Amino acid sequence: DAGITQSPRHKVTETGTPVTLRCHQTENHRYMYWYRQDPGHGLRLIHYSYGVKDTDKGEVSDGYSVSRSKTEDFLLTLESATSSQTSVYFCAISSATPWTGGTDNEQFFGPGTRLTVL
Amino acid sequence: EDQVTQSPEALRLQEGESSSLNCSYTVSGLRGLFWYRQDPGKGPEFLFTLYSAGEEKEKERLKATLTKKESFLHITAPKPEDSATYLCAVQAPVYSGGGADGLTFGKGTHLIIQP
Repeated sequence: DAGITQSPRHKVTETGTPVTLRCHQTENHRYMYWYRQDPGHGLRLIHYSYGVKDTDKGEVSDGYSVSRSKTEDFLLTLESATSSQTSVYFCAISSATPWTGGTDNEQFFGPGTRLTVL
Repeated sequence: EDQVTQSPEALRLQEGESSSLNCSYTVSGLRGLFWYRQDPGKGPEFLFTLYSAGEEKEKERLKATLTKKESFLHITAPKPEDSATYLCAVQAPVYSGGGADGLTFGKGTHLIIQP
């Protein structure tokens, strides 16, 4: 298994409270990603990072922010949680670099965090 | 907009009954097509990457193929432990913007293999 851990694994919170999810990797990979998975939608990209302090938005970034101060950690923050953010959140990593021919783009996923916003 | 459609949504087979799962996609300049397996309560597990039409990859009872418009995951003589949700995803060229390095997933095929 790729060395990816997510914390917490489960969290229940109330609407309007801030929430931070953590993704930690031991692979020293450049790229890290946050996805959410909801019934009927499949996995959707929230934000991704292509290096320390380098991040960009994905398909469903509204209401989320991210930070990456170290190669191994990628944080996802919900500044003011809403019920629509109830979901399962997955972190992924990739060994891809901007200089490869695109043959190492596989993404490996963590175990997920189940977040419930009441 | 990149789109990925998987069919069927669900499939129930008897042990040993071979079948295929379909993934059709629309993306400009495919960088890669990925197959994952996901068990309940767990993260997706990487299976295959396909990069160009005509490419095939195999792993145990699974074989993935790719054309210019779709990919198939063939399951030969499946066993109950092959029961899972199978996810297909595509990656767009890095220049398309909007999280181009991320993957666009289909909704998955829920496969049940009965003993």
